[in-house]
Amino acid sequence: DTEVTQTPKHLVMGMTNKKSLKCEQHMGHRAMYWYKQKAKKPPELMFVYSYEKLSINESVPSRFSPECPNSSLLNLHLHALQPEDSALYLCASRTQQGAVGEQYFGPGTRLTVT
Amino acid sequence: SQQGEEDPQALSIQEGENATMNCSYKTSINNLQWYRQNSGRGLVHLILIRSNEREKHSGRLRVTLDTSKKSSSLLITASRAADTASYFCALGAGKSTFGDGTTLTVKP
Repeated sequence: DTEVTQTPKHLVMGMTNKKSLKCEQHMGHRAMYWYKQKAKKPPELMFVYSYEKLSINESVPSRFSPECPNSSLLNLHLHALQPEDSALYLCASRTQQGAVGEQYFGPGTRLTVT
Repeated sequence: SQQGEEDPQALSIQEGENATMNCSYKTSINNLQWYRQNSGRGLVHLILIRSNEREKHSGRLRVTLDTSKKSSSLLITASRAADTASYFCALGAGKSTFGDGTTLTVKP
């Protein structure tokens, strides 16, 4: 199974809502990533988890809160977002953070903040 | 982390033609990867080339790497309408960062 799944596919939320994005992989990968991608731009790295520990936080605002409850799951908790946070949120995994190898990407969650 | 710079930003060709896109970077790398993204979807890995390799092939794809010029190119031969997508190069292993990408349009 070389698939990374993400739920939900689409999410519309108000600025006062709390929601979560979920990512799952069963490839035994120990590095998992969250990216944010605005239209016509490349993915921007937000967070990296390595062996379930937060390894990299790219100075992301605290209204985004990542969580890695186990080696297969990665969550992104959202609270008090702004309209400019509307974007495609991509999850990815790799065998290990420092490994020479490809990242496997999920299909993304299209987030709209109203 | 460093970022690749890609050119052209956009490329429009007819089906059957070849498409070439380039990625340049500034510091040493141990590998470079190319990804494809169809509109609004996740990225799909195409090819990884290591710093000690000069050329790799995968089907209709050919990637070259010139470490002396700090550049890589992706060639898609005999393009198809289904190749229409954005193509990104990514550098590094621990913290891959993506170039701005090349948007390829293949007209039937």
